[in-house]
Amino acid sequence: DAGVIQSPRHEVTEMGQEVTLRCKPISGHNSLFWYRQTMMRGLELLIYFNNNVPIDDSGMPEDRFSAKMPNASFSTLKIQPSEPRDSAVYFCASSSGGRGLNQPQHFGDGTRLSIL
Amino acid sequence: KQEVTQIPAALSVPEGENLVLNCSFTDSAIYNLQWFRQDPGKGLTSLLLIQSSQREQTSGRLNASLDKSSGRSTLYIAASQPGDSATYLCAAGPGRGGADGLTFGKGTHLIIQP
Repeated sequence: DAGVIQSPRHEVTEMGQEVTLRCKPISGHNSLFWYRQTMMRGLELLIYFNNNVPIDDSGMPEDRFSAKMPNASFSTLKIQPSEPRDSAVYFCASSSGGRGLNQPQHFGDGTRLSIL
Repeated sequence: KQEVTQIPAALSVPEGENLVLNCSFTDSAIYNLQWFRQDPGKGLTSLLLIQSSQREQTSGRLNASLDKSSGRSTLYIAASQPGDSATYLCAAGPGRGGADGLTFGKGTHLIIQP
């Protein structure tokens, strides 16, 4: 059974460029989460979708960040323009059971993003 | 705003020892608490999920307890093995009326010496 699939695994780009991270959740899961992990701040929730609809985007740091979920099997997180402080590991997670309550979240292997 | 603290930040013990990792959270109005394992360069692997109505969950050599009233959870690892070396993360949530995502602690970096 395939887990959460993220691409690319690594991304190195220059400041100012657009970055798009991709996620394929586990089939049948209807909740999807984007997290960011840094040494200083640990893991932080960026945005949460339920049934493809954004429910909570209060963690999105600023307008340069946007996320979409056009269908149940695909989501993107876009940063435009990118800045060096955006360098982090970005994780996507999915879960089942309505709004994800009392169901474990399953994480992808993450995208390690470096902005030069 | 929920805050999660994990103690200790790092732990190194010889193989075979039983050990306890601690997690505390400030907002007890949570639906569940989840323990994860993270290996270097990898994503998070869910170990145990304790629902708010439960006191503990067990999986193999792992046992996690939850005391909502005191805002504490512990992860007990029995007969530790070198393969248990990893970072262990505690995550609280989602919360009633609050965000549906998880709030993570900074983790305990565990090294089991052969």
